[in-house]
Amino acid sequence: EVQLLESGGGLVQPGGSLRLSCEASRFTFSNYAMNWVRQAPGKGLEWVSGIGGSRATTYYADSVKGRFTISRDNSKNTLYLQMNSLRAEDTATYYCAKDYQWEQPFYFTSWGQGTLVTVSS
Amino acid sequence: EIVLTQSPGTLSLSPGERGTLSCRASQSVRSSYLAWYQKKPGQAPRLLIYGASSRATGIPDRFSGSGSGTDFTLTISRLEPEDSAVYYCQQYGSSPNTFGQGTRLEIK
Repeated sequence: EVQLLESGGGLVQPGGSLRLSCEASRFTFSNYAMNWVRQAPGKGLEWVSGIGGSRATTYYADSVKGRFTISRDNSKNTLYLQMNSLRAEDTATYYCAKDYQWEQPFYFTSWGQGTLVTVSS
Repeated sequence: EIVLTQSPGTLSLSPGERGTLSCRASQSVRSSYLAWYQKKPGQAPRLLIYGASSRATGIPDRFSGSGSGTDFTLTISRLEPEDSAVYYCQQYGSSPNTFGQGTRLEIK
């Protein structure tokens, strides 16, 4: 069974930075696109960013474009999300999600348990 | 971007009944690229349906999806207490992929 383990969440001040990690196991990591999806408290799901299996192409929601950077290290089976210039509205549980296919965000077949990011002074 | 509107906001039904959840898109969803997820508090989302009508691995046949174009439906027959959750639709036919706001299903 696919395993995805997020880490790196926590409390950060507005304008600060945080890097999330997602360690993947039990599947061939490099063969799949990977994504970050978030859920703000009491709100619905919001896709944040995705990256192709080869790392060549990255995708972002308009709400985070220019502030967040997605990356992956296929040798370490790990997905990252560098979050800069954080705002209160970025407060959410961030989920790592394995995509159905290799190249671009599609639908999400497996999810991690999430890591909570709180942006507050 | 495609906006997905789910209805009703909350659905309250009894065990054994059938639940019908709707997802309407602001424009046609290419190739019926629509998925449904189940989300319970404190748990990761779970893929139920992809391609509008294909069940994901391990999903009971009580769950079925239908629709095309702009109108899609998730039907849960013979409701069980563990079906209590929030259900989200997602379109992945156009970038950026988007989610609906969710339908809360309560089992009385």
